[in-house]
Amino acid sequence: SAVISQKPSRDICQRGTSLTIQCQVDSQVTMMFWYRQQPGQSLTLIATANQGSEATYESGFVIDKFPISRPNLTFSTLTVSNMSPEDSSIYLCSVMGLAGEYEQYFGPGTRLTVT
Amino acid sequence: GQSLEQPSEVTAVEGAIVQINCTYQTSGFYGLSWYQQHDGGAPTFLSYNALDGLEETGRFSSFLSRSDSYGYLLLQELQMKDSASYFCAVSLDYKLSFGAGTTVTVRA
Repeated sequence: SAVISQKPSRDICQRGTSLTIQCQVDSQVTMMFWYRQQPGQSLTLIATANQGSEATYESGFVIDKFPISRPNLTFSTLTVSNMSPEDSSIYLCSVMGLAGEYEQYFGPGTRLTVT
Repeated sequence: GQSLEQPSEVTAVEGAIVQINCTYQTSGFYGLSWYQQHDGGAPTFLSYNALDGLEETGRFSSFLSRSDSYGYLLLQELQMKDSASYFCAVSLDYKLSFGAGTTVTVRA
């Protein structure tokens, strides 16, 4: 299994500002995923981050709002730009296990509150 | 796209058995996964079914019927620590699509 850490664990931000969330994995992985989970809701995939290429965004998510970097095989960042209260959510990164995409390991999440 | 349906809440007493059903509609399908998430925690992988039938992992079992687009997670000998949210998810093209989740509350 992979051990994943995220920074920050939580933050309170003002609307109009941006926050960058870091995700660090203890082993090299090809694919990393970023999810959003609003309170009491399910997980929604934002994008897939591959090293050496542009992130692939899901419907409803755009690069200008959620730019992603993937500089190496153990690290990725997600930026939430020009935040509004609707962006208040938990943001999680995940990686695939060796068995396949159906088994993913998640970071502890970043709880973001936008005021 | 993908659509998954599961009950929103289930309450049971310690020692009981709980079955969480999941029906899905997908444009493609590789398999059905189950994840557990405690309040404030990260989702953790429980089980996966690619083929029809039952997979058993300790007190938890998962079942899949591809012809019925249906699966379930069976929690046996419920313990207080099993109080959590449980999500079914379908995998396709290296991505997971999650159901809305079922909150299981275990009472003493």
